[in-house]
Amino acid sequence: SQTIHQWPATLVQPVGSPLSLECTVEGTSNPNLYWYRQAAGRGLQLLFYSVGIGQISSEVPQNLSASRPQDRQFILSSKKLLLSDSGFYLCAWSQVSDTEAFFGQGTRLTVV
Amino acid sequence: KNQVEQSPQSLIILEGKNCTLQCNYTVSPFSNLRWYKQDTGRGPVSLTIMTFSENTKSNGRYTATLDADTKQSSLHITASQLSDSASYICVVNDKAAGNKLTFGGGTRVLVKP
Repeated sequence: SQTIHQWPATLVQPVGSPLSLECTVEGTSNPNLYWYRQAAGRGLQLLFYSVGIGQISSEVPQNLSASRPQDRQFILSSKKLLLSDSGFYLCAWSQVSDTEAFFGQGTRLTVV
Repeated sequence: KNQVEQSPQSLIILEGKNCTLQCNYTVSPFSNLRWYKQDTGRGPVSLTIMTFSENTKSNGRYTATLDADTKQSSLHITASQLSDSASYICVVNDKAAGNKLTFGGGTRVLVKP
């Protein structure tokens, strides 16, 4: 069966510090991968999605970047965090031939 | 740009009552439309899926409808329970973009006793 791992679950970082959130998927190959952010009380905002290794599409201009160094690994990064980067970050995957997205447990990021 | 718009943004209903959530989309072409339920602090979980040729699909007390002509979908919750308190998100896949999923902003439902 397929599983998705996302860590850490919670993170408190000072303004200006770097960020690295990691997401890995097991039990499938060549998945579509997604990073979403959800501000408090708001809907999901798609940040990045990837259809293959090294292929990253950015949905909104921001202080974040994403990389896909391996087929089932998706990393969200920032060189210098801003207060506005605080939020709930979700990683998800879907099969290219399917439309259901499976989500990780999320990372609650607080920038102080 | 393909979009998925949901309304209302939030609503409060009394336990046992019914409610209907709306989803309008511009994504075209698409394979199917899903409604997800997201509990606070968790990832969304799929409730229903409908292909573009289906009009209605039920999952227990949840019934989704789809009108491909007007590009509208609705999610009807019958006899609401406290556990229905969550965000409900409409999602459409963009076939032209490799089945990239386009999420609506969600409707937050609060069921009060």
